[in-house]
Amino acid sequence: KNQVEQSPQSLIILEGKNCTLQCNYTVSPFSNLRWYKQDTGRGPVSLTIMTFSENTKSNGRYTATLDADTKQSSLHITASQLSDSASYICVVTYTGNMLTFGGGTRLMVKP
Amino acid sequence: DTGVSQDPRHKITKRGQNVTFRCDPISEHNRLYWYRQTLGQGPEFLTYFQNEAQLEKSRLLSDRFSAERPKGSFSTLEIQRTEQGDSAMYLCASSLMTSQETQYFGPGTRLLVL
Repeated sequence: KNQVEQSPQSLIILEGKNCTLQCNYTVSPFSNLRWYKQDTGRGPVSLTIMTFSENTKSNGRYTATLDADTKQSSLHITASQLSDSASYICVVTYTGNMLTFGGGTRLMVKP
Repeated sequence: DTGVSQDPRHKITKRGQNVTFRCDPISEHNRLYWYRQTLGQGPEFLTYFQNEAQLEKSRLLSDRFSAERPKGSFSTLEIQRTEQGDSAMYLCASSLMTSQETQYFGPGTRLLVL
C-alpha cells in the first residue's frame, strides 16, 4: 500500500529559528515528491518539487531534500516567520499524476 | 489565489439532505481532481477528470457521491443522503497534463452535516 508518513505531527518554534520536517514514503512507482503548504481553511499550495534524480531544491527560505534510496525527504525552513505557521504536507506522485498525501506537520511560529 | 475557485466555501446541512459543490478550474487546465480532507489529515483522492471523462474513482467514493464535468470546464460534486461522516473539507484541484504537472488547489468547501 502506498503510504507517506510525516513527523513530527506538530511543532512549535520561536520566530527567527530554523526547523526541519521529515517525510518517509513507500510509494511505487515513484514519479516525484512535493512539499505543499496549507494555511488554515485554505487549499494546499506547492512549495517544491523533486524528481528521482534531484537531491535538493530550494524556494526562498524553504529547502527540500530527497534521498530516493532510503525514501526519505525533509523540508528545512530557515529564519522562520509568523506567516510560516501552517500545515506542511509531503506529497508523492505515482503513475504520473496520482498523489499520495502525508498527514502533514502542523507548524506554529510564535513571536 | 491559485485561480481555482470553489462554491460554496461553507455548507451546513442536515443529515439526509443532498448537497452539491461546484469547482471552476484554471481555464486551460484539462485535468480536474476532487479530494476530501478531514481535520488533521492530508487530502484523500476521490476522483479525477481528464476533459469530460471521469478516468478514476476512489473506493472512498460511495454510490451516494457523484461527480460530473459535462463540458470539460467546471465540475460538480453531489452528495446524496448526507451522513455525519461526510463532514469534511472538499478540495478541488486542476492541472495541465504535462510531464511534471502541478495540481493547483482551490480554497475548498467545508461541509458540516448535523
